[in-house]
Amino acid sequence: SQQGEEDPQALSIQEGENATMNCSYKTSINNLQWYRQNSGRGLVHLILIRSNEREKHSGRLRVTLDTSKKSSSLLITASRAADTASYFCATTEGTGTASKLTFGTGTRLQVTL
Amino acid sequence: DAGVIQSPRHEVTEMGQEVTLRCKLISGHNSLFWYRQTMMRGLELLIYFNNNVPIDDSGMPEDRFSAKMPNASFSTLKIQPSEPRDSAVYFCASSLPGAQAFFGQGTRLTVV
Repeated sequence: SQQGEEDPQALSIQEGENATMNCSYKTSINNLQWYRQNSGRGLVHLILIRSNEREKHSGRLRVTLDTSKKSSSLLITASRAADTASYFCATTEGTGTASKLTFGTGTRLQVTL
Repeated sequence: DAGVIQSPRHEVTEMGQEVTLRCKLISGHNSLFWYRQTMMRGLELLIYFNNNVPIDDSGMPEDRFSAKMPNASFSTLKIQPSEPRDSAVYFCASSLPGAQAFFGQGTRLTVV
């Protein structure tokens, strides 16, 4: 089963524009992470935001987290053709040292020149 | 460290055959996850381990699937007997608890 659902499923923008992807989840979490996957490759970690944080930045990435609404957003500013990929949110839940990492359905981003 | 290493990268097998997928964790990581990715169902968590112990195997689709961690750095996912609907890309990932996960390049399984 999947914890999160992402919106939109697919997004097509032009280079230089901003891309916003949203993620909703169902249960209480320890943290939320965003990953990127290029076609046919493994997932690569982008950014992690803890449950007690509301916003985090990393380069051109900005992530927000609203635990009251069980939602997160990923903003990619000044997009480039190389940003074309699928983006997934993932939630970490669990107590003690064992943490379950569950992924959402993903957003396919296409950035055109 | 070379990262998470999966083998084989591609596997084509006939229905009914046993398939074993292998994963080498990053040294020092004690959480291990197995995922299956298909167009229809996305990225599904099959099972995860902590300190070599299976914590949650509720995502394992059937008794035909089994996973083991014989030691802290290695895991196998076995399908016996395999069926065409098992065709997918299988990923393993390792992490420290609650931290970012590092993924292998995946094994693309085709069952004919």
